[in-house]
Amino acid sequence: GAVVSQHPSRVICKSGTSVKIECRSLDFQATTMFWYRQFPKQSLMLMATSNEGSKATYEQGVEKDKFLINHASLTLSTLTVTSAHPEDSSFYICSAKPGVPFDYGYTFGSGTRLTVV
Amino acid sequence: AQSVTQLDSHVSVSEGTPVLLRCNYSSSYSPSLFWYVQHPNKGLQLLLKYTSAATLVKGINGFEAEFKKSETSFHLTKPSAHMSDAAEYFCVVSGAITGTASKLTFGTGTRLQVTL
Repeated sequence: GAVVSQHPSRVICKSGTSVKIECRSLDFQATTMFWYRQFPKQSLMLMATSNEGSKATYEQGVEKDKFLINHASLTLSTLTVTSAHPEDSSFYICSAKPGVPFDYGYTFGSGTRLTVV
Repeated sequence: AQSVTQLDSHVSVSEGTPVLLRCNYSSSYSPSLFWYVQHPNKGLQLLLKYTSAATLVKGINGFEAEFKKSETSFHLTKPSAHMSDAAEYFCVVSGAITGTASKLTFGTGTRLQVTL
């Protein structure tokens, strides 16, 4: 139980285009989801906190107009990388915290490897 | 504010020998602490968590960790390493509450290498 499904797992796009990444909670409701970015051989850096029905909260230094987050339902949050450039290439991971009875920590998606060419 | 320091960026052990991955934390709150494992190009899997109950926490795959408040440590151990344990390990502390969940702060990770 408490599965977070993230799609796509891998995407290659041309510079200047936009890419949408989906994060779904399959068997629980997630009022809050988190989006992380991970550079090669580095740790996860929190980009933003996605709250169902309200605006996302972005961490300092993260461009909210470039990384659009939508959390329209209790089971779906999306991250759209707009006008992508090669420096946006990275591994993006979403996370949610299930409540009772899945009270065993935060569940992570399997990640999306974005390559901008 | 909270932070977590993983003292070793890389640990190499022989198969069948003990594993020790070190983690120290700092938190303004009574912390919740986690260890996650990440295999290449994969998401993170929870190994174990501490949330102010028993200080010795047992997790999956034979891993365990001990919360030591006096030392502000939460080291991860396993008696006998398997080849399949080779991965990246993250020590994580929860912090400021956002909505119904808390923000997580990640350590920089420790890459565990297991040799024959």
